[in-house]
Amino acid sequence: KQEVTQIPAALSVPEGENLVLNCSFTDSAIYNLQWFRQDPGKGLTSLLLIQSSQREQTSGRLNASLDKSSGRSTLYIAASQPGDSATYLCAVRPRDSWGKLQFGAGTQVVVTP
Amino acid sequence: GAGVSQTPSNKVTEKGKYVELRCDPISGHTALYWYRQSLGQGPEFLIYFQGTGAADDSGLPNDRFFAVRPEGSVSTLKIQRTERGDSAVYLCASSLGTGGNTEAFFGQGTRLTVV
Repeated sequence: KQEVTQIPAALSVPEGENLVLNCSFTDSAIYNLQWFRQDPGKGLTSLLLIQSSQREQTSGRLNASLDKSSGRSTLYIAASQPGDSATYLCAVRPRDSWGKLQFGAGTQVVVTP
Repeated sequence: GAGVSQTPSNKVTEKGKYVELRCDPISGHTALYWYRQSLGQGPEFLIYFQGTGAADDSGLPNDRFFAVRPEGSVSTLKIQRTERGDSAVYLCASSLGTGGNTEAFFGQGTRLTVV
């Protein structure tokens, strides 16, 4: 059974520091991995999608890497800003159940001015 | 539409009542998903549709929960005889295609409170 873990559960950094968020999964048989952002009381906003054949994906200050063989993905956010404060979730799309995205519990990030 | 739309945004109901939650996916998206999220947890899969049919409903917790998508677009999640434990945020998502580059887009959710 696929399990997705995000450590740490919470993180606080001063403005300007780089953020490093970790996601690990137990079964490497995945189609892709997706990173989301969730603001309090809101839905999920898609940040980046990495296909299983890719090693990394970049969008502006965000960079996500994928090491499928070791079951790990890392989301890097450069030069953090207070507006980056949110909960970040990762989700994998398993090969044995395409429609059933499996989520981690998320990392709650606070960027202090 | 421009994004996934869910109505209502908030719903308070009494224990034992019936509720319907609506999801309007992104136009043209063939896959539609329902998830449930409790406080401090990641979303938990309930059901997903390809077109009009439920392709996987293994996440529905019991027979009080049912979902339909009669015309392959709008979907309704129906909960009978609501219980306090059903209180959560219900999220809907949609996606285009069936391949490895499929990206899921989520709505703002419906916060259901059973009192």
